[in-house]
Amino acid sequence: DAGVIQSPRHEVTEMGQEVTLRCKPISGHNSLFWYRQTMMRGLELLIYFNNNVPIDDSGMPEDRFSAKMPNASFSTLKIQPSEPRDSAVYFCASSHGTRAYSNQPQHFGDGTRLSIL
Amino acid sequence: GQQVMQIPQYQHVQEGEDFTTYCNSSTTLSNIQWYKQRPGGHPVFLIQLVKSGEVKKQKRLTFQFGEAKKNSSLHITATQTTDVGTYFCAGYHGSSNTGKLIFGQGTTLQVKP
Repeated sequence: DAGVIQSPRHEVTEMGQEVTLRCKPISGHNSLFWYRQTMMRGLELLIYFNNNVPIDDSGMPEDRFSAKMPNASFSTLKIQPSEPRDSAVYFCASSHGTRAYSNQPQHFGDGTRLSIL
Repeated sequence: GQQVMQIPQYQHVQEGEDFTTYCNSSTTLSNIQWYKQRPGGHPVFLIQLVKSGEVKKQKRLTFQFGEAKKNSSLHITATQTTDVGTYFCAGYHGSSNTGKLIFGQGTTLQVKP
């Protein structure tokens, strides 16, 4: 079975550029999560969706960050404009869930390692 | 706000020694999950505990959920180099649609061969 698929795996870009991260959740999962991981702050939940609807975006750092889920099999996380402090590993995860927030195990993708110069 | 504290942050052990990481919540948890992240990898789900006082085992790994459902532990017996990685607990707060899974900061385990 295919797991959560993220692209790109690595991204290096200059500050000020727009960055778009992509995620394909596991088929049949209806909850999707975006996380950011750094040494200093650990694993932070940025936003999660249930049935393609954003439920909680309180973890999104600021207006430069936006996330969309146009359908059940695709989500994007966009940073515009990017800054060096956005450098981190960004993970997408998905899970089953019959409620607005799923307490079922989360399946993580391989992550996108983002470096902003 | 709701927090899940995990200790220690780092642990270095000699291969064959035991290892334990502890997880504490400021509020009662509905359930707790444990994940393992290998260096350069992504978190991988290990187990979920739901009942008060629950104990589950996976080979050399023993997971416990406290009686008050506010704390949990992961114990590894006779560590091996394959156990290297960061172990995260994640507590689920609440039983309504506003519940949330909160990850601890993780415990990074190094095993010396």
